[in-house]
Amino acid sequence: DIQMTQSPSSVSASVGDRVTITCRAGHNIRTYLNWYQQKPGKAPQLLIFGVSTLQSGVPSRFRGTRSGTEFTLTISSLQPEDFATYYCQQSYSTWTFGQGTKVEMK
Amino acid sequence: QVQLQESGPGLVKPSETLSLTCGVSGFPVTSGHYWAWVRQPQEKDLQWLGSMYHDGTTTYEPSLKSRVTISRDTSNNHFSLTMRSVTAADTALYYCARVFGEFLSFDSWGPGILVTVSS
Repeated sequence: DIQMTQSPSSVSASVGDRVTITCRAGHNIRTYLNWYQQKPGKAPQLLIFGVSTLQSGVPSRFRGTRSGTEFTLTISSLQPEDFATYYCQQSYSTWTFGQGTKVEMK
Repeated sequence: QVQLQESGPGLVKPSETLSLTCGVSGFPVTSGHYWAWVRQPQEKDLQWLGSMYHDGTTTYEPSLKSRVTISRDTSNNHFSLTMRSVTAADTALYYCARVFGEFLSFDSWGPGILVTVSS
């Protein structure tokens, strides 16, 4: 199994803030890294695939980057609809999710 | 546009078998890459359970492999999850999803079904 270590587990932020979430893979997963957004009572939704490609309809304030086995999701200017839980996922060898990061209102 | 919908009993007794079906519309289960099951205990992590490739081959999360089977019904365009010998620890929201594209991301999800294991 490839472990995915996601941090922080939660972050308190205000509208307009820049938010950064990190995911570290326990193995070289190349660019097989995806990000999901989940709102309460809803299924996760694909946000970014292949490290940095935005799923159709996802606003450009979301950005994904990679440095080796460390992956980052950045929300450049947090909007009210962005308060949610975010998960990374590796798809290099079967699939594993990170533990999730809850973005809460400060 | 592909749509997925989970169905099955919301309550299962301990030691019995959980059976869920994922109805798919707008895309044949014999196409694409994989079809997957994921679960989420209340307000906890997402756990991938297993996937079926479009040719019918399967792969499972190692810790659940002995208890889980994924199958499909191509005539009705659905795929199913069977989990044997359930315990309270299997209480969760269960999702089905389509796995698609070069990076094997889960691009479409069902709304989820809550399954409670209790006597």
